[in-house]
Amino acid sequence: AQRVTQPEKLLSVFKGAPVELKCNYSYSGSPELFWYVQYSRQRLQLLLRHISRESIKGFTADLNKGETSFHLKKPFAQEEDSAMYYCALSGHNNAGNMLTFGGGTRLMVKP
Amino acid sequence: DVKVTQSSRYLVKRTGEKVFLECVQDMDHENMFWYRQDPGLGLRLIYFSYDVKMKEKGDIPEGYSVSREKKERFSLILESASTNQTSMYLCASSSPGLLSYEQYFGPGTRLTVT
Repeated sequence: AQRVTQPEKLLSVFKGAPVELKCNYSYSGSPELFWYVQYSRQRLQLLLRHISRESIKGFTADLNKGETSFHLKKPFAQEEDSAMYYCALSGHNNAGNMLTFGGGTRLMVKP
Repeated sequence: DVKVTQSSRYLVKRTGEKVFLECVQDMDHENMFWYRQDPGLGLRLIYFSYDVKMKEKGDIPEGYSVSREKKERFSLILESASTNQTSMYLCASSSPGLLSYEQYFGPGTRLTVT
């Protein structure tokens, strides 16, 4: 069975401080991991995927298979980063990739 | 620009009522999903469909059913609503294959069962 754990429900930092949102997973195969974000009054949307190894809005995430983690990081948080963040893992079925989501972490960036 | 729309933003129903939540997407996506979103529990998959008239149970299908008569429309049905089904319901769609990991979400329906 696959599982995604986000240990922090709420993370509060000051503007300009580094931020790290933690994500741990369990999966028997080769995982594909993603971060989704939901800003206030907006829809849930894809932020980034581990395979592309890209930086989106200053955020990066590295897959660590040894620690089964996929933490989301940003060196200098901005107020507009305040949102709900979900880590997700894909599993394969008839629909191709089905996603299992973690419980989410609310990031609050204070001025 | 992908559009996923849900029939209601807010809905209040009484215990025992039959409830229909409608979702429509305009991107010709094969895959459609229904989730419920609860604080601390994240998104949990109720049902998904990978083709017209095809459906598969997700992690928490009990108390729900779905209908997909047309490719663009995926309905979630609560046969007899109960208070523990009070939640935010999110619909999503995706294309099959390599890009199927990117799901496009609707705005959500906040359902309150009293």
